[in-house]
Amino acid sequence: EVLLVESGGGSVKPGESLRLSCAASGISFTYAWMAWVRQAPGKGLEWVGRIKSEANGGTTDYAAPVKGRFTISRDESTNTLYLQMNSLKSDDAGVYFCVSGYDVFDVWGQGTTVTVSS
Amino acid sequence: DIQMTQSPSSLSASVGDRVTIACRASENIDTYLNWYQQKPGKAPSLLIYAASTLQSGVPSRFSGSGSGTDFTLTINSLQPEDFATYYCQQSSSVLLSFGGGTRVDIK
Repeated sequence: EVLLVESGGGSVKPGESLRLSCAASGISFTYAWMAWVRQAPGKGLEWVGRIKSEANGGTTDYAAPVKGRFTISRDESTNTLYLQMNSLKSDDAGVYFCVSGYDVFDVWGQGTTVTVSS
Repeated sequence: DIQMTQSPSSLSASVGDRVTIACRASENIDTYLNWYQQKPGKAPSLLIYAASTLQSGVPSRFSGSGSGTDFTLTINSLQPEDFATYYCQQSSSVLLSFGGGTRVDIK
C-alpha cells in the first residue's frame, strides 16, 4: 500500500519560511513523479507544483502564485519529498497535500496545515 | 493559463437520484481531464482520469464523458457515501489547474 505522510506544518508570520516534508512508503520513490496541492480554509484545491523523478531529470514546475518563493525537492535516500516555502503570505495558509503522480494524482497524503498570521 | 469552471457550485439531491456535474475548460484540453471526490476533513481521492476511465476500485455508478472543452461527471443512483465535493482538474497544460468544486449534499 502506498502511504504518503506529510509533516512540518505550523504557524508562521508573514515573510517567514517553512519546510514541509512528505515521507513516502510502499512506492518506488526513485521512479515516482510527485506534486504538492493545497487547499485554503473553506476553499477549493490549488496545484502548487511538481517534480519529476531523478531518473527523468528531477525537473520542477510551479504555479504562478508560488513561483520564485517555493521550491520542491526530493531525497531518494530517505524517500522524502520536500516543499520549501519562503516569503510566506497570508494567501499561502491552508492544508498542503503531498500527492503521487505528475499530472494525475492517484495517491494523496492526509495533509499538513500551514497558518500564516501576524 | 487554463481556467476550469464547474457548474453548479452546489446541488441538493436524494439517495437514488442521478446527478450530473459539468466542467468547462477555457481552451481545448482534449481528454486530459480528471475528477476527484473529497469528503469533509479528508484528502481528495481520484475517481476518473482521461475524462472517462474509472480509477480502480471506484464504483461503476460513477462515469465521465466529454472532450475538448466540455466534460461531465455523472453519478447514477446516488448513494449516502457519495455526498461530498467533486473537483475536475485539467492535465493538458504544464501548469495544472482545478475547477472550483461542486458540493453535493442531501436534499
